[in-house]
Amino acid sequence: GAGVSQSPRYKVAKRGQDVALRCDPISGHVSLFWYQQALGQGPEFLTYFQNEAQLDKSGLPSDRFFAERPEGSVSTLKIQRTQQEDSAVYLCASSPREGSQPQHFGDGTRLSIL
Amino acid sequence: AQRVTQPEKLLSVFKGAPVELKCNYSYSGSPELFWYVQYSRQRLQLLLRHISRESIKGFTADLNKGETSFHLKKPFAQEEDSAMYYCALSGLSNFNKFYFGSGTKLNVKP
Repeated sequence: GAGVSQSPRYKVAKRGQDVALRCDPISGHVSLFWYQQALGQGPEFLTYFQNEAQLDKSGLPSDRFFAERPEGSVSTLKIQRTQQEDSAVYLCASSPREGSQPQHFGDGTRLSIL
Repeated sequence: AQRVTQPEKLLSVFKGAPVELKCNYSYSGSPELFWYVQYSRQRLQLLLRHISRESIKGFTADLNKGETSFHLKKPFAQEEDSAMYYCALSGLSNFNKFYFGSGTKLNVKP
C-alpha cells in the first residue's frame, strides 16, 4: 500500500471489553509509533518500536495497554478492560529509519467506549 | 518537563492577510521543532521542521531559543491554508519521542 493503514477505522466497545487495534506501516519502515489523541487535544505519545523491539513504552497510560510488533512490520495495540477515558483516536505513524523524519501517519482508529 | 503550548485554539483571518500561529515550548535539552498540518478529511502530515530552514507553501517558522518559541508565519493567507496546525517537539539526540501541542485551527475566510 501507499501509506500507513490502520484498522478498524471505528471501534465501539462496551466498558470492560478488550480491544485490538492494528497498524500496517509503510513497507520497510523501521520505526513505528503509537499515539493517543483525545478530543480537542494533540496526539500524545504512547510507545515506539524500532523493528520488533519496543524501545520506549513510557507513554502507555496503564498496564491495561499493551503493544507488540512481533515481526517488525504490523503492530497491534491492545487495550484490556476498556474504560470510558480510553475513548480517543489512536494514531499510528512510521518512518524509514530510527529517528528519521517525516513520520507518516495513518488515518487513525476512533475508539468509543460506552 | 517537556511541553508544547499553542495558546490559540482557533485563528480566523481573511484571505490575503498575514497569519501567525504561536508555539511555545519547554524542553531540557536541544530540541527539534516541527509543524504538522491536518487538512479536512486528510491525515496528519509534516509541514516543516526548523532544522531544514525551508519555506513550505509560503509558511516559515524560526526557532527562537531565547523566547522558546517556534511561531508559524505566512504573509498572505489563502483559503486552502484552512486546517488544523500542530506544533511538535523532539530531542535532537532522541527523535523517538514526540510532544505535540493541542493544535490551532486556522480558518481563512474569503
